[in-house]
Amino acid sequence: GQQVMQIPQYQHVQEGEDFTTYCNSSTTLSNIQWYKQRPGGHPVFLIQLVKSGEVKKQKRLTFQFGEAKKNSSLHITATQTTDVGTYFCAGRQMGAAGNKLTFGGGTRVLVKP
Amino acid sequence: SQTIHQWPATLVQPVGSPLSLECTVEGTSNPNLYWYRQAAGRGLQLLFYSVGIGQISSEVPQNLSASRPQDRQFILSSKKLLLSDSGFYLCAWSVPGNQPQHFGDGTRLSIL
Repeated sequence: GQQVMQIPQYQHVQEGEDFTTYCNSSTTLSNIQWYKQRPGGHPVFLIQLVKSGEVKKQKRLTFQFGEAKKNSSLHITATQTTDVGTYFCAGRQMGAAGNKLTFGGGTRVLVKP
Repeated sequence: SQTIHQWPATLVQPVGSPLSLECTVEGTSNPNLYWYRQAAGRGLQLLFYSVGIGQISSEVPQNLSASRPQDRQFILSSKKLLLSDSGFYLCAWSVPGNQPQHFGDGTRLSIL
């Protein structure tokens, strides 16, 4: 079946620094979504990428979908303490029924003030 | 606006006891509905999804079952809980198609 891998599993970042988390799928995706889960909370949708090579920005967050639609990345600039949480990518396989998503294992972000 | 309600927030159950978790969505019709389980510090594992009343797709063989008796109601059940059923259970809904999923607050289930 489809697998979605995320690296790194943990990211310790000094406040103010940049970092990138990566997402790789074993199969071609029709779209990819990113979610953020704060400690003790539930996942919250951030963004969806659909087109090959698509790049979208949300303030300090930049999301990219690979040309082959099998990988994606999230880059955060000038990390703040509010960025703490786990970031998940979730891919929808081509032709998947019911808008079924396969979630990656997540990147848990810890920020050092 | 749409809202999703999931209860209870926490639950402690003995091994071998039954389980019933309920999820309801308001403000939308014919949503896709999902049950996920999240082990501590891990990712989300899709357990069941439903595209309509009485239509349930199971993703992982296990001792859990799901039912959708009404359009906006999704229930997760078990006849006999196992220690391995402990975890954080999340219900989610989405509009059909390539749309975001919206999660409930989840139920933290501990099996003793």
